[in-house]
Amino acid sequence: KAGVTQTPRYLIKTRGQQVTLSCSPISGHRSVSWYQQTPGQGLQFLFEYFSETQRNKGNFPGRFSGRQFSNSRSEMNVSTLELGDSALYLCASSPTGTGIPGELFFGEGSRLTVL
Amino acid sequence: AQSVSQHNHHVILSEAASLELGCNYSYGGTVNLFWYVQYPGQHLQLLLKYFSGDPLVKGIKGFEAEFIKSKFSFNLRKPSVQWSDTAEYFCAVNGGGSYIPTFGRGTSLIVHP
Repeated sequence: KAGVTQTPRYLIKTRGQQVTLSCSPISGHRSVSWYQQTPGQGLQFLFEYFSETQRNKGNFPGRFSGRQFSNSRSEMNVSTLELGDSALYLCASSPTGTGIPGELFFGEGSRLTVL
Repeated sequence: AQSVSQHNHHVILSEAASLELGCNYSYGGTVNLFWYVQYPGQHLQLLLKYFSGDPLVKGIKGFEAEFIKSKFSFNLRKPSVQWSDTAEYFCAVNGGGSYIPTFGRGTSLIVHP
């Protein structure tokens, strides 16, 4: 079974630009969550999508947005990039309804550098 | 709101030393507890989990953790670490039926050969 796939793996942007990251969950997983990982802050929850609906949202500004498609693939977008947005963005999928709540399967992440 | 505290941010050990990483959480209801590990250059993966039953759970690579409800703790242990255990370890908790776990800030473990 293929794992969670995230693209792109690495990207460099400049302040003020916007970026879109993509995530393909494990087949059959309908829940997709996004996290921002930075040294010292650990994993900060961004949002979770289930069946194309945002079900949970973390404490991030409106510049951070996401969506989920009918095939469960998800994208997240960050507009008007700031230097502090440099981080590893992790996507995780979950077998909602059949698995243990909170058990997540992570992708390798998209490392964003903002210059 | 639930929160997770990992007491040790950086741990350095020699091979064969014993390991215990602390994790405390704040949530009064039923919880599911996890330890995730991130090896250098690899994705986060589940090390072990607790959701019910025996409070002493065993995971991969000889790791175990004990859920002590009265102390709101879920400490990770390994009797003898190896160089290959060098990684970042994250404790995570979720409760109340939520599918979204709260993560601790992580503990960076370096094992010297």
